[in-house]
Amino acid sequence: EVQLVESGGGLVQSGGSLRLSCAASGFTFSSYGMNWVRQAPGKGLQWVSYISGSSSTIYYADSVKGRFTISRDNAKNSLYLKMNDLRGEDTAVYYCARDGSGTYGHWGQGTLVTVSS
Amino acid sequence: EIVMTQSPATLSVSPGERATLSCRASQSISGNLAWYQQKPGQAPRLLIYGPSTRATGIPPRFSGSGSGTEFTLTISSLQSEDFAVYYCQQYNTWPRLTFGPGTKVDIK
Repeated sequence: EVQLVESGGGLVQSGGSLRLSCAASGFTFSSYGMNWVRQAPGKGLQWVSYISGSSSTIYYADSVKGRFTISRDNAKNSLYLKMNDLRGEDTAVYYCARDGSGTYGHWGQGTLVTVSS
Repeated sequence: EIVMTQSPATLSVSPGERATLSCRASQSISGNLAWYQQKPGQAPRLLIYGPSTRATGIPPRFSGSGSGTEFTLTISSLQSEDFAVYYCQQYNTWPRLTFGPGTKVDIK
């Protein structure tokens, strides 16, 4: 059974940093691209970042480019998102999602990031 | 960026009735569209992709159609567990995806 479990969320001050983790199990992690998707409270879904299985290809949404860094450790079956210079508009539940050439058939339960001013 | 719009924002339906949800893309996305269902406090669940292929375990009362810029999700006979928010998502510009704002299906 595919499982994705996020951690690392919490309350952080504006301008601060946070590192999210996503622990994967139940599939060959290195064979799949992975994504971070976020959802602000009461709002819709926004794709944040993508990383290929080998880490050779990485993309970011314009809203986080230069502030967020996606990475993965295939030996540990883990995905990460380092978030710097956090702003109020970054407040959201952050989900990791396994890529299926554009469709997300597997999601984690999400971790809440709250940025306070 | 391809902008996705959905209508209506809220759809009130009685159990057993049919629900029809619409999704429009700002430019052609061919058939590269997916639908997700999200219940409060839960992660989204993939329902339909391609745009008419049901994901694993999705019951046949859910169906998708459309191409180009206009797409539809139909729930043929609403069950109590179907009341949720539904999002469409384009993946024509994979991996840079965009989602619609969602349609909330609630009980009439």
